[in-house]
Amino acid sequence: AQSVAQPEDQVNVAEGNPLTVKCTYSVSGNPYLFWYVQYPNRGLQFLLKYITGDNLVKGSYGFEAEFNKSQTSFHLKKPSALVSDSALYFCAVRDPGTASKLTFGTGTRLQVTL
Amino acid sequence: EADIYQTPRYLVIGTGKKITLECSQTMGHDKMYWYQQDPGMELHLIHYSYGVNSTEKGDLSSESTVSRIRTEHFPLTLESARPSHTSQYLCASTTAIYNSPLHFGNGTRLTVT
Repeated sequence: AQSVAQPEDQVNVAEGNPLTVKCTYSVSGNPYLFWYVQYPNRGLQFLLKYITGDNLVKGSYGFEAEFNKSQTSFHLKKPSALVSDSALYFCAVRDPGTASKLTFGTGTRLQVTL
Repeated sequence: EADIYQTPRYLVIGTGKKITLECSQTMGHDKMYWYQQDPGMELHLIHYSYGVNSTEKGDLSSESTVSRIRTEHFPLTLESARPSHTSQYLCASTTAIYNSPLHFGNGTRLTVT
């Protein structure tokens, strides 16, 4: 069975500082990994995905994520946080070797302050 | 801008009423999904469809039902609403390509009194 964990309910960072939102996963094969963001009173928006190839994936709004197979992690990063980045962030995983659907993490609230 | 639309955005309704939450997408996507989102943020898959006349229950047991008569339309119905149904409901769609991301609507926030 596949699973994904986001160990932090909330991450606080000052504007201009780098940010990291953590995600670890468990699948039987090679994973497809995704990050989504949810702003208040909105649905989720796709940020980036890892399917294969380069371990560093770049996405929307200056975000990037690094796939680390040995640590089964896919942490979301941004070099310089903005107050407007404050939102809920969801990591998701799918095992392409099975007929499974996408599994979401429990979400991490990012709070960026001035 | 989203090409997947949910109506209504907000709904307050009394116990026992029948309600239908609408979801439509203009992208021609084969796959559509309904998620229930807790106040604590976690997403639970309650229904999905891989095409017309195909519907399946998701991971979370739900008293709701869905239909998929047209590709673009995936309504969710509660025959008799209860306070325990109070939640945010998110509709999503994607193509048949396995690594395609989901496109989400803006959700319906349902309150049952």
